Amino acid sequence: ETGVTQSPTHLIKTRGQQVTLRCSSQSGHNTVSWYQQALGQGPQFIFQYYREEENGRGNFPPRFSGLQFPNYSSELNVNALELDDSALYLCASRTGGIYGYTFGSGTRLTVV
Amino acid sequence: KQEVTQIPAALSVPEGENLVLNCSFTDSAIYNLQWFRQDPGKGLTSLLLIQSSQREQTSGRLNASLDKSSGRSTLYIAASQPGDSATYLCAVSPRQGGSEKLVFGKGTKLTVNP
Repeated sequence: ETGVTQSPTHLIKTRGQQVTLRCSSQSGHNTVSWYQQALGQGPQFIFQYYREEENGRGNFPPRFSGLQFPNYSSELNVNALELDDSALYLCASRTGGIYGYTFGSGTRLTVV
Repeated sequence: KQEVTQIPAALSVPEGENLVLNCSFTDSAIYNLQWFRQDPGKGLTSLLLIQSSQREQTSGRLNASLDKSSGRSTLYIAASQPGDSATYLCAVSPRQGGSEKLVFGKGTKLTVNP
């Protein structure tokens, strides 16, 4: 399987709710990262997983959490949604070494 | 703390023109630098990846250079086409911490007019 696939493409949630976003990476991509991109801004690093363990985190509160599974899929969970969580959420994966990241098409989350 | 700046924020050129997009970063301790293209509301498409030991990379009409000592990279687009219209993002992978995260600039929005 090639490419990085994210689901759903669009999502509308109410403030205070919880959401789970999903990502399916390419086979062999042991490293997966999640980014938040607000309108007109560059993507901001949320966290990274390597072989199912979190090994890096950006400046995001604990209500942002994640999981990585042995089949190269991963999840981003956000609890107690706030209006400012409205953004494009991007998943990126790579094998490591000299190779760069491959990004998915993103999930557009709107919190109302 | 690594910071990435892209200038200009927006650029409009006529079709056929050669152009240069600029990226600067504050800390030269990086693993690599990557240029991406983003169409409105879409994900990122990787254009070029330059390792810290390299000076430039080329792909078709695109050429990216890296001067790590001065903290600068340029993306050169030859013979621009309307299909090149998009936002171009520069990102570095800092040599700090356990993760290989990317630190992005805010991007340059390019419009190529027919």
